[in-house]
Amino acid sequence: DIQMTQSPSSLSASIGDRVTIPCRASQSISRFLNWYQQKPGKAPKLLIYDASTLQDGVPSRFSGSGSGTEFTLTIDSLQPEDFATYYCQQSYNTGFPTFGGGTKVEVK
Amino acid sequence: QLQVQESGPGLVKPSETLSLTCTVFGDSLSSSTYNWGWVRQPPGKGLEWIGGVFYTGTAYYNPSLRGRVTTSVDMSKNQFSLRLSAVTAADTAMYHCARIRTANFDTWGRGILVTVSS
Repeated sequence: DIQMTQSPSSLSASIGDRVTIPCRASQSISRFLNWYQQKPGKAPKLLIYDASTLQDGVPSRFSGSGSGTEFTLTIDSLQPEDFATYYCQQSYNTGFPTFGGGTKVEVK
Repeated sequence: QLQVQESGPGLVKPSETLSLTCTVFGDSLSSSTYNWGWVRQPPGKGLEWIGGVFYTGTAYYNPSLRGRVTTSVDMSKNQFSLRLSAVTAADTAMYHCARIRTANFDTWGRGILVTVSS
């Protein structure tokens, strides 16, 4: 199976900061990488698919980049509603999707 | 607008079988070209793929759970289901059903907390 690694598991930021969240795959997955946001007590929400395509309705301050094994989710000008946990997920192996362990964005 | 909703018992005894159903609103499973699946999240932990059903009807599973997990579709009720046998405390988690669009999960249910305890 393809292992997805997210480090750090948490980071602290302030409103208005530019935040970057890394994700690494254990093998090349081309651009088959998706990002989700999860708030406490809620279901995950798809933010970005295929590494850089914004899901409908997601604010443009979110962007994704990368290919192969290294990927990044960027939040430009962090807003109060962006404090949450972010997960990456590979869709290269369609029969066995796997998720990273998550990065929690906390208030500095 | 598409919605999916989980239902089933919130408490299951050890060694018994966990059975959950996901009802789909706003799409028809009989004509859909999407896949459908299940993801779980133990309390305070990350997301784990359990298994699902391709739109062709073929089931696919997390290899670590293979042998214990079964997924199926009931098109007459517009539902798909999960069965996980021989459960232990390690299977205690929030269970989400989801629509899968080209291997990304674009619509999620709110989830149902299943506790394994005697």
